[in-house]
Amino acid sequence: DAGVTQSPTHLIKTRGQQVTLRCSPKSGHDTVSWYQQALGQGPQFIFQYYEEEERQRGNFPDRFSGHQFPNYSSELNVNALLLGDSALYLCASSPRAWGGSPLHFGNGTRLTVT
Amino acid sequence: DQQVKQNSPSLSVQEGRISILNCDYTNSMFDYFLWYKKYPAEGPTFLISISSIKDKNEDGRFTVFLNKSAKHLSLHIVPSQPGDSAVYFCAAILPSGGSYIPTFGRGTSLIVHP
Repeated sequence: DAGVTQSPTHLIKTRGQQVTLRCSPKSGHDTVSWYQQALGQGPQFIFQYYEEEERQRGNFPDRFSGHQFPNYSSELNVNALLLGDSALYLCASSPRAWGGSPLHFGNGTRLTVT
Repeated sequence: DQQVKQNSPSLSVQEGRISILNCDYTNSMFDYFLWYKKYPAEGPTFLISISSIKDKNEDGRFTVFLNKSAKHLSLHIVPSQPGDSAVYFCAAILPSGGSYIPTFGRGTSLIVHP
């Protein structure tokens, strides 16, 4: 049973460029959340998707957008990259009908903006 | 303003001894708490949780204690093993109409020496 998979594992971009990160949730999970983990910080919530719609959003600018597909996989897009966007981006999945089951995280995408 | 605080960035313990990781929170509305463990190059993995209606939850070598009046929780690992060396994140959840968005602390890096 595959867990949460993310691609790519590493990415280097230049300021001003755009990036797309991808996530496939754990089998049986329909809700996907994205987190940003900067160096020395804990994961910060970006947004959550289920039923192909953004349902909740953290304190991130509109440059951060996402999408969820009918198969529950998801993309995170970041436009007009800034140096400060360099971080580990984590995708986490969960079943919508949460009964106390924890989030399952992927191994993340390490984004470096130069 | 951090709602979940882990004030010790690192902790060093001898193998076989007890490890105690601490976490403080500011929002008294948090009603569910979790600990995640993260190895380098991997995503966080769920370790143990506790509901606000309890003050202790135990799972093998791991015990979480919750002191609601002090807004404090702690994770005890007994006995500590070298494989426990990782970054430990405390997370807290607000009751939110079925949504499940943990707020994470900055993490504590535990090193267990053989």
